[in-house]
Amino acid sequence: EVQLVESGGGLVQPGESLRLSCAASGFTVSTYYMNWVRQAPGKGLEWVSILYSGGSTYYADSVKGRFTISRDSSKNTLYLQMNSLRAEDTAFYYCARGLTYSSSYFDYWGQGTLVTVSS
Amino acid sequence: DIQMTQSPSSLSASVGDRVTITCRASQSISSYLNWYQQKPGKAPNLLIFAASSLQSGVPSRFSGSGSGTVFTLTISSLQPEDFATYYCQQSYSTPPLTFGGGTKVEIK
Repeated sequence: EVQLVESGGGLVQPGESLRLSCAASGFTVSTYYMNWVRQAPGKGLEWVSILYSGGSTYYADSVKGRFTISRDSSKNTLYLQMNSLRAEDTAFYYCARGLTYSSSYFDYWGQGTLVTVSS
Repeated sequence: DIQMTQSPSSLSASVGDRVTITCRASQSISSYLNWYQQKPGKAPNLLIFAASSLQSGVPSRFSGSGSGTVFTLTISSLQPEDFATYYCQQSYSTPPLTFGGGTKVEIK
């Protein structure tokens, strides 16, 4: 059974850092493209970052230069290193597995972890 | 970047109603369009991929159609468990993989 479990969220002050983890089971993270998607409280979904199986990474303009996506194949875990956090980064962060079959979509999602940036 | 616009942003409907949600892309995206359902406090759940393909396990009352710039998600007979927010997402030109703003389906 495919499962994604995020952890690492919490309350931080503006300018601080946080690292989110997404532990995967039931499949191998390195063989799929993996994503982070966030949702500010009461708002819509915003794609944040993608890590392709080949290692290429891309970021939303809103986080480029501050966030870094990575994976540890030995732990089958996806990460999101978030630096220089801002109040507007406050959101639930979901990891999502990507699949391509006639279209590229997110077929499995984690339960989300809440990041709150506030002084 | 491709912009996705959903309409309406919210709607009220009764159990048994036929409900249609529209998603428009700022440029042609062929059939690279997916739909998700999100219930309060839960992660989104894939309903439809490639504009009209039903994800495994999703009830057949959900259907998707469209190509190019205009797409629709239809619920043929609304059930109590269908009250949720629905999002479209394009994957034609990525990254970024952009979502629509969402449509909240509420009980009338």
